[in-house]
Amino acid sequence: DIQMTQSPSSMSASLGDRVTITCQASQDIGNNLIWFQQKPGKSPRRMIYYATNLANGVPSRFSGSRSGSDYSLTIISLESEDMADYHCLQYKQYPWTFGGGTKLELK
Amino acid sequence: EVQLVESGGGLVQPGRSLKLSCAASGFTFSNYYMAWVRQAPKKGLEWVATISTSGSRTYYPDSVKGRFTISRDNAKSSLYLQMNSLKSEDTATYYCAREGPMYTTDYGYWGQGVMVTVSS
Repeated sequence: DIQMTQSPSSMSASLGDRVTITCQASQDIGNNLIWFQQKPGKSPRRMIYYATNLANGVPSRFSGSRSGSDYSLTIISLESEDMADYHCLQYKQYPWTFGGGTKLELK
Repeated sequence: EVQLVESGGGLVQPGRSLKLSCAASGFTFSNYYMAWVRQAPKKGLEWVATISTSGSRTYYPDSVKGRFTISRDNAKSSLYLQMNSLKSEDTATYYCAREGPMYTTDYGYWGQGVMVTVSS
């Protein structure tokens, strides 16, 4: 199975900060990665698909990038509504696997 | 508007069975792979099952293989998850998700989730 190691597991940041969350894949997954945002009591919301593509309706302060087996979700200029859990998902091969999640909190 | 509405959750004893349903609307259901994803309390997301457009192909992780069965009824635009031999570690919120059309995986739409509690 492909392991997705997500870091950090939690972090606190201030409004206006630049934030980066990373998932490292244990095997080649190409660009077959999705980033989700999940707020308490809510369903996951797709933010980035195919590693670097912004989903419809997602603010442009969000972006996705890849460097080798490392995949990053970056939020420039953090806003209060961005406080949430973030998850990555690889869909290169079954079983699909998620990263462990990152809880983003306000400092 | 795409809608996915799960039902069938509840409290069940270990070793018993439960069947979840997901009613889909707002899109051509038969054109999409569908999936179930779960989230144990205070934990991360775990993919549980995927089914192809016709239902001829199904995929599971080892954690549920042989116990869970995903199925669909395209005429009713409905997705199902039959869960047998339930264990306490199956306690979670179960989400129905639209995985994507053939050859594309996007997980763009999710249901609101349904809670399953396995406890004696």
